[in-house]
Amino acid sequence: DTAVSQTPKYLVTQMGNDKSIKCEQNLGHDTMYWYKQDSKKFLKIMFSYNNKELIINETVPNRFSPKSPDKAHLNLHINSLELGDSAVYFCASRGTRRGDTEAFFGQGTRLTVV
Amino acid sequence: GDSVTQMEGPVTLSEEAFLTINCTYTATGYPSLFWYVQYPGEGLQLLLKATKADDKGSNKGFEATYRKETTSFHLEKGSVQVSDSAVYFCALSDNGFGNEKLTFGTGTRLTIIP
Repeated sequence: DTAVSQTPKYLVTQMGNDKSIKCEQNLGHDTMYWYKQDSKKFLKIMFSYNNKELIINETVPNRFSPKSPDKAHLNLHINSLELGDSAVYFCASRGTRRGDTEAFFGQGTRLTVV
Repeated sequence: GDSVTQMEGPVTLSEEAFLTINCTYTATGYPSLFWYVQYPGEGLQLLLKATKADDKGSNKGFEATYRKETTSFHLEKGSVQVSDSAVYFCALSDNGFGNEKLTFGTGTRLTIIP
């Protein structure tokens, strides 16, 4: 039973298109994140949500809009895709109870913009 | 702000060699420290963690000790295997739980040759 699941795993699309990546966690965690991993494997946080509220927005272009319909889901919508958006996007979740320290990651979505 | 400085790779070792990957950090307060591993084509998995000074995290033969005096969390393994080939990330989180973001190092690619 997958703890953090993302769909799709691969996404190839043309410049200018709009696309969404979905993320769901079944761990009962309050906090969810989106990270972007570039071709050099560098991981950069994009967003953090806690109980459906946006907590962290790390200077991400407005073309990226996260949506959290409930605390188990955090979807990422990207408008007007650009070549530089090509990367692997990881969703993660984390608990907020004492002792919940680590984050659990999804398998990643490899986005290729052509 | 928080930061993690990690040994640059790639690192190539022969099977059964001793491994050290250096990690130092800068943070306010008392962060929790983590090592994550990313196998080819997969998401990040927690390898080990330490939540306070002098704690030692260990898993699968890997160890790291939280050294507050040197602000370090170096990863070690006495005898590496081909299956250890992966990218390793050092990370920290202030206060250890809650909605704080995980800050990652740049990752170190490890290749073990038979």
